[in-house]
Amino acid sequence: NAGVTQTPKFRVLKTGQSMTLLCAQDMNHEYMYWYRQDPGMGLRLIHYSVGEGTTAKGEVPDGYNVSRLKKQNFLLGLESAAPSQTSVYFCASSSRASNTEAFFGQGTRLTVV
Amino acid sequence: QQQVKQSPQSLIVQKGGISIINCAYENTAFDYFPWYQQFPGKGPALLIAIRPDVSEKKEGRFTISFNKSAKQFSLHIMDSQPGDSATYFCAASYSGGYQKVTFGTGTKLQVIP
Repeated sequence: NAGVTQTPKFRVLKTGQSMTLLCAQDMNHEYMYWYRQDPGMGLRLIHYSVGEGTTAKGEVPDGYNVSRLKKQNFLLGLESAAPSQTSVYFCASSSRASNTEAFFGQGTRLTVV
Repeated sequence: QQQVKQSPQSLIVQKGGISIINCAYENTAFDYFPWYQQFPGKGPALLIAIRPDVSEKKEGRFTISFNKSAKQFSLHIMDSQPGDSATYFCAASYSGGYQKVTFGTGTKLQVIP
């Protein structure tokens, strides 16, 4: 049982480059989330999705876009990377039925130089 | 706007001692208070959670104490072990059409032998 899988695990980008982070979950969860984790700031919600084809902005959405074309996948895109986007990114998913525990992936460490 | 405040930022405890991490929230609509544990290089994972209709919940060496009137809750780790060394996040969320968890800023716990 894989749970929540994120790819890639590490990436170095140059300023202005673009990339897409992929999140896949095999638990048939309705809700999916993208967080960024920075020292001393906890986990901050970037975007989230309550179902296939729907997305919404979280606390820090600027500079990011997302898509959820399939229920099991949630993509996070950076169109023009900036050094301020250097962070560890976590994807999570949860069941609408339980409205409780969120399951996290192992994270993607992104460095923008 | 930080809705969940967590302290201390870091904590060093000797093996066998009690680790205490405190959190305070502002939004009285919150009705679910989980604690997540994160080991280096891993995603957060649910440790223990409480709802505001009880004042305490215990699971093994981990106890949540909840004070609804003060809008505070805390995590106590009894008989702390080196294997407990991790970052701990408190969080809060509320029932509704979807789940959106607000995290505290995290406490890095180090248990020394």
